[in-house]
Amino acid sequence: GAVVSQHPSWVICKSGTSVKIECRSLDFQATTMFWYRQFPKQSLMLMATSNEGSKATYEQGVEKDKFLINHASLTLSTLTVTSAHPEDSSFYICSAERTGDYEQYFGPGTRLTVT
Amino acid sequence: QKEVEQDPGPLSVPEGAIVSLNCTYSNSAFQYFMWYRQYSRKGPELLMYTYSSGNKEDGRFTAQVDKSSKYISLFIRDSQPSDSATYLCAMSSNDMRFGAGTRLTVKP
Repeated sequence: GAVVSQHPSWVICKSGTSVKIECRSLDFQATTMFWYRQFPKQSLMLMATSNEGSKATYEQGVEKDKFLINHASLTLSTLTVTSAHPEDSSFYICSAERTGDYEQYFGPGTRLTVT
Repeated sequence: QKEVEQDPGPLSVPEGAIVSLNCTYSNSAFQYFMWYRQYSRKGPELLMYTYSSGNKEDGRFTAQVDKSSKYISLFIRDSQPSDSATYLCAMSSNDMRFGAGTRLTVKP
């Protein structure tokens, strides 16, 4: 149990286009989901906390108009990278916090390449 | 079978003890092996990062990777109450897989 999926696993897009990444909890409900961006040497930066039915909370320095987060149901959160640029190329990882016990489960990540 | 197996604990040790945390994995393609520390409701903090097999030491922390056995370990020497957290192993090739995390409590 406690599986989190991300779709797509890999995406290439042209500069200026928008890309949507989905994070799903497959067998549990997640009131809260987190979005991370991976930096060199595998460090993870928390970008935002996504709460079902309310606005996401963004970390300092993360542009909320550029990284749109929607958490419309207890099993799905989406991250949309708007007007993507090459510097947005990275590995984006989500995690889902199981409702009730706060256990956090990580997705496999989405690799975004902006050309 | 999950690609990465990690005993979720909880693990409770007295201050000063040596802590051993372990993960096993099934995908031989993994090349990068990481240990993250996560405090309650915070993002994971990268502790150790290893490429391929071998040992890596950083202060009180030692990471070991044995690719032939598909087994990685994190040792914490002279454990402190501030080490109390959840420790996640992770490994990657083209994508990333996390262990379930081991919840550690170090008692004063």
